[in-house]
Amino acid sequence: AQSVTQLGSHVSVSEGALVLLRCNYSSSVPPYLFWYVQYPNQGLQLLLKYTTGATLVKGINGFEAEFKKSETSFHLTKPSAHMSDAAEYFCAVSDLTGGGNKLTFGTGTQLKVEL
Amino acid sequence: NAGVTQTPKFQVLKTGQSMTLQCAQDMNHEYMSWYRQDPGMGLRLIHYSVGAGITDQGEVPNGYNVSRSTTEDFPLRLLSAAPSQTSVYFCASSAKRTSSGNTIYFGEGSWLTVV
Repeated sequence: AQSVTQLGSHVSVSEGALVLLRCNYSSSVPPYLFWYVQYPNQGLQLLLKYTTGATLVKGINGFEAEFKKSETSFHLTKPSAHMSDAAEYFCAVSDLTGGGNKLTFGTGTQLKVEL
Repeated sequence: NAGVTQTPKFQVLKTGQSMTLQCAQDMNHEYMSWYRQDPGMGLRLIHYSVGAGITDQGEVPNGYNVSRSTTEDFPLRLLSAAPSQTSVYFCASSAKRTSSGNTIYFGEGSWLTVV
């Protein structure tokens, strides 16, 4: 079974500061990894995904994530936070076994951006 | 592009009532799934389908029923609603897996309250 751990249910940063949201995964097979963002009372929007190839993945809105197999991590970063980044962020791993395209999600990290 | 469409967006049910959450996608995707989102728990898989006529259970299937008679539609039925089923429900779809890891598309969510 696969699992995802997001360290820190709430993260607060100042506008302009570095954003770092942590994600560690457990998988017995090479994982497909995703970051989603959810704004209040809205659905999920894909920020970026890692499947194969380059381990540094760039996404929308200036976010990027690096797949580190040795650390089983897929942390999300953004060099300079903006007020509009305030949202909840979910890391997820895709389960290829048994058919289908099933995601196992972390419990989410609420990002607050302060002036 | 409609993408993944869920109805209704908001619903209040009384304990014991039954209802169906509708989900339709217009992308000819083989894979569809239902998730529920609860505070502090991320999203958890309820049921999924790998094609018309084929469904399977996810992590939290109890109290829910699904069917997939067409490629486009994947309704989720609550047989006898309980307060524990108060949640936000998301439908998702994707094409069959390829080595690039197909993107999973989410609907806007259905907010369900059981009183």
